[in-house]
Amino acid sequence: RKEVEQDPGPFNVPEGATVAFNCTYSNSASQSFFWYRQDCRKEPKLLMSVYSSGNEDGRFTAQLNRASQYISLLIRDSKLSDSATYLCVVNGGGGYQKVTFGTGTKLQVIP
Amino acid sequence: GAGVSQSPSNKVTEKEKDVELRCDPISGHTALYWYRQSLGQGLEFLIYFQGNSAPDKSGLPSDRFSAERTGGSVSTLTIQRTQQEDSAVYLCASSPRLAGNEQFFGPGTRLTVL
Repeated sequence: RKEVEQDPGPFNVPEGATVAFNCTYSNSASQSFFWYRQDCRKEPKLLMSVYSSGNEDGRFTAQLNRASQYISLLIRDSKLSDSATYLCVVNGGGGYQKVTFGTGTKLQVIP
Repeated sequence: GAGVSQSPSNKVTEKEKDVELRCDPISGHTALYWYRQSLGQGLEFLIYFQGNSAPDKSGLPSDRFSAERTGGSVSTLTIQRTQQEDSAVYLCASSPRLAGNEQFFGPGTRLTVL
């Protein structure tokens, strides 16, 4: 089983739609969780951290389910500018807290 | 403030040549990571530095790859005897303190091996 797994997509959604991505992780000792966004031919940038209680930032909501070992990202009222690849990032726990990136889920918002 | 910088931005080299890629992390960031990304693929972890030491080199694909970091700042990734399969974007990231903190990425070096 991969340390961090994501559905690669692509998810093609119309403007204004709500879309959700999940990401599963294998190491139950993982401590920190993040969603990054990567635009085509650009470097990844932090979108939001994921807290145990869940957190929201505008149209974006992130949730953590430790029992089932997955995190989710919900995007409401999708905009064309949301088109990107969304990377799930997990701090794998252990001695130095190895950070592992998922391979990403591609989102294409269609006019 | 200044972000993570990498040089060169593009490098074209011939097979079997050696290349050096440089990363200047954000000042004060103790953690530094190297990744590579092939076209359309995810990030492949290469090596992690905490200060000048590298507790995790597990991602280096072969002994042709090496990296060092001096003064807890600049890092150099060296690829010896480059092969065509080494062609990729090499990304560097730095983090303020612990490995679990947010990583700030540089723009990457696009390496093409002919």
